[in-house]
Amino acid sequence: DIQMTQSPSSLSASVGDRVTITCRASQDISNFLAWYQVKAGQVPKLLIYSADALHSGVPSRFSGSGSGTEFTLTISSLQSEDVATYYCQKFTGTPLTFGGGTKVELK
Amino acid sequence: EVQLVQSGGGLVQPGGSLKLSCAASGFTFSGAAMHWVRLGSGNGLEWVGRIGNKAINYATTYGESTKGRFIISRDDSKSTTYLEMNNLKIEDTAVYYCTRPGITVSGLGFDPWGQGTLVIVSS
Repeated sequence: DIQMTQSPSSLSASVGDRVTITCRASQDISNFLAWYQVKAGQVPKLLIYSADALHSGVPSRFSGSGSGTEFTLTISSLQSEDVATYYCQKFTGTPLTFGGGTKVELK
Repeated sequence: EVQLVQSGGGLVQPGGSLKLSCAASGFTFSGAAMHWVRLGSGNGLEWVGRIGNKAINYATTYGESTKGRFIISRDDSKSTTYLEMNNLKIEDTAVYYCTRPGITVSGLGFDPWGQGTLVIVSS
């Protein structure tokens, strides 16, 4: 099975900072990669699909890039409401494995 | 509006069983593959499994940690999918979500999600 590895596992940043999260696949998954935001006590929310496509209603400060085995999620200017855990997920072939998550906190 | 409404869940002893339900509305349920995902306190999001539609004989696939213990089924006449959990372990404690590949994202991400159901496995 393909493994998905995220880094860092957690980070602390200030409002307005640029935040980058990396997700690596153990094998080539082309652009079949999605990103989710999970806030405490809330339902997971799809942010990005096809590695770089912004889901409807998601603020434009969120962006995704990458293909093959290396992907990134960038928050261009961190806002207080972005405090959450972020997960990548491969979206090709089962199992549809998630990365281990990156917890984003405010400094 | 596409909606997934879950029911079931609760407290169960190790080795016990529980069945979750997920009722869908707002889309043609019979054509959709349905998935279950869980969020454990220390484990993050974990894909539990999926059931396909009638065209692929309702084929099911499961994640490694639940294979052989969990069963996903569906009743298209009720637009409902089920997750039957057997021989439950303490590490199965989690919030369980039903979800589907999103119509508006060419099926390349999960959207929407059910509201989640808490399952606690404890003696």
